[in-house]
Amino acid sequence: NAGVTQTPKFQVLKTGQSMTLQCAQDMNHEYMSWYRQDPGMGLRLIHYSVGAGITDQGEVPNGYNVSRSTTEDFPLRLLSAAPSQTSVYFCASSYSVRDGYTFGSGTRLTVV
Amino acid sequence: AQTVTQSQPEMSVQEAETVTLSCTYDTSENNYYLFWYKQPPSRQMILVIRQEAYKQQNATENRFSVNFQKAAKSFSLKISDSQLGDTAMYFCAFMKFLGGAQKLVFGQGTRLTINP
Repeated sequence: NAGVTQTPKFQVLKTGQSMTLQCAQDMNHEYMSWYRQDPGMGLRLIHYSVGAGITDQGEVPNGYNVSRSTTEDFPLRLLSAAPSQTSVYFCASSYSVRDGYTFGSGTRLTVV
Repeated sequence: AQTVTQSQPEMSVQEAETVTLSCTYDTSENNYYLFWYKQPPSRQMILVIRQEAYKQQNATENRFSVNFQKAAKSFSLKISDSQLGDTAMYFCAFMKFLGGAQKLVFGQGTRLTINP
């Protein structure tokens, strides 16, 4: 199993550009989430999904869209990048609450 | 809203010493899970240990153990015989069910350095 795969690992965007961060898992996990990590603030939940076709907003959803057309994939779209979205982004998936979440290796995004 | 607080932004100990990282949380829930995650310089988030709130027995995983005080809403991590490879950011996290979803809420993290 590859686990949770995120691409790209690094990205630089100009303000106003759009892009999609890819996330795929091969563990047949129903629960998937996107987090952003900023210094001194831990990880904050952006969007989450409880299964294919079902998504909802987390703590900091503004400026981001998600969709879940398959169990495996959960892409995160930045509609119009802003410098405040400079961060490290993590995708995570889970089978059950007692197992916690398995994380991808992260994407470091810089918006200039 | 649930919050998780880690009051020690940074800690530093000598190799082979024992170190305890603090974590408190705030919730009105009765059933939940608590986790400690490790993030080494590689940036990968690694699950270290988990604790189910309905279990009174403290979880242990090799050199890692927790002190879970449910009434005090405290969940500290103890690392025994610390090793250089334990150098990392450590995050305490709380998970609960909400409308069928599993939400994981993180503390701000503690940067732990193990010195040779």
